[in-house]
Amino acid sequence: KAGVTQTPRYLIKTRGQQVTLSCSPISGHRSVSWYQQTPGQGLQFLFEYFSETQRNKGNFPGRFSGRQFSNSRSEMNVSTLELGDSALYLCASSSPSQETQYFGPGTRLLVL
Amino acid sequence: DQQVKQNSPSLSVQEGRISILNCDYTNSMFDYFLWYKKYPAEGPTFLISISSIKDKNEDGRFTVFLNKSAKHLSLHIVPSQPGDSAVYFCAASYQGGSEKLVFGKGTKLTVNP
Repeated sequence: KAGVTQTPRYLIKTRGQQVTLSCSPISGHRSVSWYQQTPGQGLQFLFEYFSETQRNKGNFPGRFSGRQFSNSRSEMNVSTLELGDSALYLCASSSPSQETQYFGPGTRLLVL
Repeated sequence: DQQVKQNSPSLSVQEGRISILNCDYTNSMFDYFLWYKKYPAEGPTFLISISSIKDKNEDGRFTVFLNKSAKHLSLHIVPSQPGDSAVYFCAASYQGGSEKLVFGKGTKLTVNP
């Protein structure tokens, strides 16, 4: 089985721009979660989607949004980028019968 | 407010010895705990988990211990190998689900040959 894939792997943007990141979960997994990893804050939960619906949400501003498609692929969008949004964005998928999440390699975003 | 804490940013051990990584949590609602390993430029990889109804879970060289009264868990790696060198994250969730994980900030383990 292919693992979780994320595109692009690296991205450079400037302040004020917006960005869209993509995640393809493991085949058969319907839950997709997003996390932000920064040196100071560690891994922080952004949101989780299941069957095209946002089921859980972390404590991030409304500039961070996401969606999930009928094939379980997910995108997250960050609008009006700030320097502090520079981070590694990780996507993870899981199935209801599994008690763990499987992570993709992440997208490293640099905001200049 | 950090609900999951890994107070040791780094740990160095000799090959063949035991590595003990510690994690404390504050939220008594947490009922499921996981350990992940992360290499640079890769996503975290699941290692081992434990439910709050247990106090120990083993998988090969990895054992996780849970002390609910102390809100403390630890990961033991025996024997440690150079390939174990990575950042280890402790994570917790509640209501038995793993969809929303609260992570500690990680401990960088270095196993010296």
